[in-house]
Amino acid sequence: NAGVTQTPKFRILKIGQSMTLQCTQDMNHNYMYWYRQDPGMGLKLIYYSVGAGITDKGEVPNGYNVSRSTTEDFPLRLELAAPSQTSVYFCASGHMGENDNEQFFGPGTRLTVL
Amino acid sequence: QKEVEQNSGPLSVPEGAIASLNCTYSDRVSQSFFWYRQYSGKSPELIMSIYSNGDKEDGRFTAQLNKASQYVSLLIRDSQPSDSATYLCAVINQGGKLIFGQGTELSVKP
Repeated sequence: NAGVTQTPKFRILKIGQSMTLQCTQDMNHNYMYWYRQDPGMGLKLIYYSVGAGITDKGEVPNGYNVSRSTTEDFPLRLELAAPSQTSVYFCASGHMGENDNEQFFGPGTRLTVL
Repeated sequence: QKEVEQNSGPLSVPEGAIASLNCTYSDRVSQSFFWYRQYSGKSPELIMSIYSNGDKEDGRFTAQLNKASQYVSLLIRDSQPSDSATYLCAVINQGGKLIFGQGTELSVKP
């Protein structure tokens, strides 16, 4: 199993550009999450999904969109990049069972908006 | 009130000592609690999960949960310099969201 994979690892965007951050998991997990982490800070939840076709907002959803057409993939879309979106983005996945709710992280995407 | 709160530290302990990390949460119906370790520039790594009141031990790590006090802690025995990292407390709330505290930076001095 590759686990949770994210692409790209690094990206520099200009203000106003758009891009999609890819996240794929091969563990058949139903739950998937997107977080951002600013320097020296904790993880802020952007969006999450409890299964294919179902998504919901987290703490900081403004400026982002997601979709979940398959169990494996959970892409994060930035439509009009702004400097405030400079951050490290982490995708995570897991399942929800009784006493078995562990969530696992991808390696992250480091995004800079100039 | 933040959903999950931790002291940001840094917490400094000598090698071989016990490091104690604390976390409180606000959603009383939360049932799942986690400790993640994050090295600088890396993604969070799950080190402990705990679901019921009491202690759970795994090697040098012990997680403690007190649902009545809405408190979860992590003890690291025989701390090593390689344990120096940021430790993140996380809780799954009633809506299924995995919410993190801001993390506690631990430094273990040789």
